[in-house]
Amino acid sequence: GAGVSQSPSNKVTEKGKDVELRCDPISGHTALYWYRQSLGQGLEFLIYFQGNSAPDKSGLPSDRFSAERTGGSVSTLTIQRTQQEDSAVYLCASSSAWASYNEQFFGPGTRLTVL
Amino acid sequence: AQSVSQHNHHVILSEAASLELGCNYSYGGTVNLFWYVQYPGQHLQLLLKYFSGDPLVKGIKGFEAEFIKSKFSFNLRKPSVQWSDTAEYFCAVPTGAGSYQLTFGKGTKLSVIP
Repeated sequence: GAGVSQSPSNKVTEKGKDVELRCDPISGHTALYWYRQSLGQGLEFLIYFQGNSAPDKSGLPSDRFSAERTGGSVSTLTIQRTQQEDSAVYLCASSSAWASYNEQFFGPGTRLTVL
Repeated sequence: AQSVSQHNHHVILSEAASLELGCNYSYGGTVNLFWYVQYPGQHLQLLLKYFSGDPLVKGIKGFEAEFIKSKFSFNLRKPSVQWSDTAEYFCAVPTGAGSYQLTFGKGTKLSVIP
C-alpha cells in the first residue's frame, strides 16, 4: 500500500515568509508525528496527533510553528516568519495507534531552505 | 527523560567485515528500543525493535540487536556487511509524557567499501 507522503519535497523561501508543509499519513493510521532533521540538532520531535485528541505540541521550538490535522488524516505544518535556523528536513510519520512499541512509518521529508 | 547515545559518528568497513554499532539508553525500567536506518536518498525505515521477551532481536537484512539491561545497551550487529548497507543508522527510544514521541540518537554513518 501507499506509504506516508509529503509535499513539497523541496521548498526554498526567503527569510520572513510563511511556509506550509503537508503530510498524508498511511490510510487508517490514527497517530501522526512531525519531526525535524538538521545537521546540528539531529532528529527532533515537534508535534503529535492522536485521533481527535488535543495534539502534543511540546516539541515545537517557537510560537512561529503550528500544525493542524483535518478530519483525522492530512496534516499541515506551518512556519510563520521563517528564519534561517528553520532550514532543515521536516519529516512526517504515522502509526496505526498509540503504543510505545508501535513502528512509526516515515515519509520522505520536505527539505526547507530559508535564504 | 529517557535518552539514547550513539558513540560512533562514522564507521568505515570493508565488505564482509563484521559490524557492531553502539547504543546506550539512559535509565532502566520498562523500555522499548528501536533501530532505524536511512539509506542515501531514502526515508527512515525500521530495522528492528525490542519491547519485551527475547533480548536478542532479529531484524531485516540480516541485522540483529541485543538488549542488555545491566549495561543499558542495545547494540546493532551484522556478521558480514555489504556495500548496500551503506547508510545512516539511528537508535531511538519512546519518551515524553505519553511515551509516543521518539527520541533519536545522533546517528552513525556507515560506509562500506567494496
